[in-house]
This record gives sequence, C-alpha cells and structure tokens, in this order.
Amino acid sequence: EAQVTQNPRYLITVTGKKLTVTCSQNMNHEYMSWYRQDPGLGLRQIYYSMNVEVTDKGDVPEGYKVSRKEKRNFPLILESPSPNQTSLYFCASSSTGFDGYTFGSGTRLTVV
Amino acid sequence: GQQLNQSPQSMFIQEGEDVSMNCTSSSIFNTWLWYKQDPGEGPVLLIALYKAGELTSNGRLTAQFGITRKDSFLNISASIPSDVGIYFCAGLGRDYGGSQGNLIFGKGTKLSVKP
Repeated sequence: EAQVTQNPRYLITVTGKKLTVTCSQNMNHEYMSWYRQDPGLGLRQIYYSMNVEVTDKGDVPEGYKVSRKEKRNFPLILESPSPNQTSLYFCASSSTGFDGYTFGSGTRLTVV
Repeated sequence: GQQLNQSPQSMFIQEGEDVSMNCTSSSIFNTWLWYKQDPGEGPVLLIALYKAGELTSNGRLTAQFGITRKDSFLNISASIPSDVGIYFCAGLGRDYGGSQGNLIFGKGTKLSVKP
C-alpha cells in the first residue's frame, strides 16, 4: 500500500531534550515536506526537500533541522525543543511537487 | 510568508444542501489543490487544478481554478454526514517567490452537517 509513515504518533518530551520524528515513504517520490498544524493557523510548511541532499526552508523553519540522505526518508530533528513547538506535525511526499502531497497520519508533540 | 485567504471559516448545513467555499490570494499560483482532513488524520487530496479556468469534478465535488490564477472555489453538492471535516485549499507556484514543492495552505473551512 502506498503510504507515508511517521513515527511516533504521540510524543511528550521536556524542554531541551533533542528528539527526532521519522518519516518514510514507499512511493519513490522526489519531494518530501514537513508541516506543523496549530489551531487557527492551519498548516504551515517547515522544510521541504526536492531530492536526496537537497532541502529548502518553508515558512516556519526556526528551531528545526532536516536531512535527506536517502530518497525514502526525511526525518525532522528538534535539537532543543521548546514549548512553542508543541504542535501536530505532518510529513508528506509528492512525485513532482506539482501533483499534490500525500500526507502521513501525524505526530502530536507536546513539549513541557 | 505568503497567505491564502479561505472562507468561510466554518459552516453548518442541512443534509442535502449544496456547499460552496473559496480561496483567494494576492499572488498568482500555477496549481490549486483542495484537501479534506478528518479528525485525527492527515489531509487527503480531493482535487488538483493546473490551468486557469479549469473546472474539475470528483463525484459530488467540483472545483475551479480562477481565471486570474489568484483564486479557486470548491462546491459540494447534496451534502451528506460524512462530508464533515476541515477542507483546505493549497497553492503551488513560483510567481510569489516560492519554488516547486513549496505548498502553501489556507487556514481551512470547517464543515459540520446537521443530521
């Protein structure tokens, strides 16, 4: 089944403790992206990647890092999480970037 | 950053009624997309539009890419309870300074259906 898989689904952590949210797609898509969703703000793009080793900032990249060492994986790294990064995070992938993104089921992160 | 203005923010409708929502921007987009998000899930692509003036249907859903390339609308005909959810418009294109893959979302229209 074609899908985007992100883990974990739920995560509670403490301020400053580094964490990684993993994302994997099995569709051989070129493009991958991370979004955060907050009430009243909709979905905002954090980072996206056009191919292996090629990434670019979205609208809200501060406090996040990404890497694209393999085509199928696009982990999101929070080096020093803060409470304002408490949010619902989505990973997504797209074949060409113009054909729409397929989204994962989300990771609900709480930073205390 | 770039913003899409989506309206209405929320709406209650009677089952069987038609629904209309729209999205506008101050910038030109090359692609308009419409997504639906159910509670606890990620957004799912409903319709993709690639040409100005294009009208595309997916079952009871119809969407149009505005002639000016700065707007799009989505219609749902004969709504049913499973239409409940949040609908998002999204735009993609280079004209606002973004690049391919830089997909911008509206803030969503929350649809609730009275049974």
